Amino acid sequence: DTGVSQDPRHKITKRGQNVTFRCDPISEHNRLYWYRQTLGQGPEFLTYFQNEAQLEKSRLLSDRFSAERPKGSFSTLEIQRTEQGDSAMYLCASSFTGTLTYEQYFGPGTRLTVT
Amino acid sequence: DQQVKQNSPSLSVQEGRISILNCDYTNSMFDYFLWYKKYPAEGPTFLISISSIKDKNEDGRFTVFLNKSAKHLSLHIVPSQPGDSAVYFCAASFTPSGNTPLVFGKGTRLSVIA
Repeated sequence: DTGVSQDPRHKITKRGQNVTFRCDPISEHNRLYWYRQTLGQGPEFLTYFQNEAQLEKSRLLSDRFSAERPKGSFSTLEIQRTEQGDSAMYLCASSFTGTLTYEQYFGPGTRLTVT
Repeated sequence: DQQVKQNSPSLSVQEGRISILNCDYTNSMFDYFLWYKKYPAEGPTFLISISSIKDKNEDGRFTVFLNKSAKHLSLHIVPSQPGDSAVYFCAASFTPSGNTPLVFGKGTRLSVIA
């Protein structure tokens, strides 16, 4: 297993367009998280799943943001009607709840630029 | 209100010397702490973690110290190497029901000078 993967790595879009990002977690990991990172800040939590259940979504930045994990494997994060303030690095992480350690493993991120 | 604070935006250290990165937290409910390293254009890479039931955890050149009464943790890197140059993030979580979302500090940029 090569770790968490994200696609695309870079996305440039015009304001008002919709974008969708994909995350494939480490295969045996049952939890999947989305974070956003802007310049000079640490990653900021957005939402997370255990298998296909979305456990927390109140931290999504607005109702333009939504996420799914339909079969408990990969996940998608969609941003509708993008705004320039959405430009950021979107990070996905995964973890396994069957151990006594709580590390999350991150993918390489998707860099979004809204013009 | 930032719950995890890394008050030093940057740190420069000579190769071979010790690097000490500091982190403070305000939420006493946090019970698990992690350090991540991040290179430009990559995602954070997990380095080392510590549970609140311990005060020290060591892994090779990396040691994390936790002082619960002061709500302070530190990462020691000995000896520092040029490849350690990166941004280091401190993160905290509350784990009674397993892995919960991490709360990150803003990071400290470490430069190791050869």
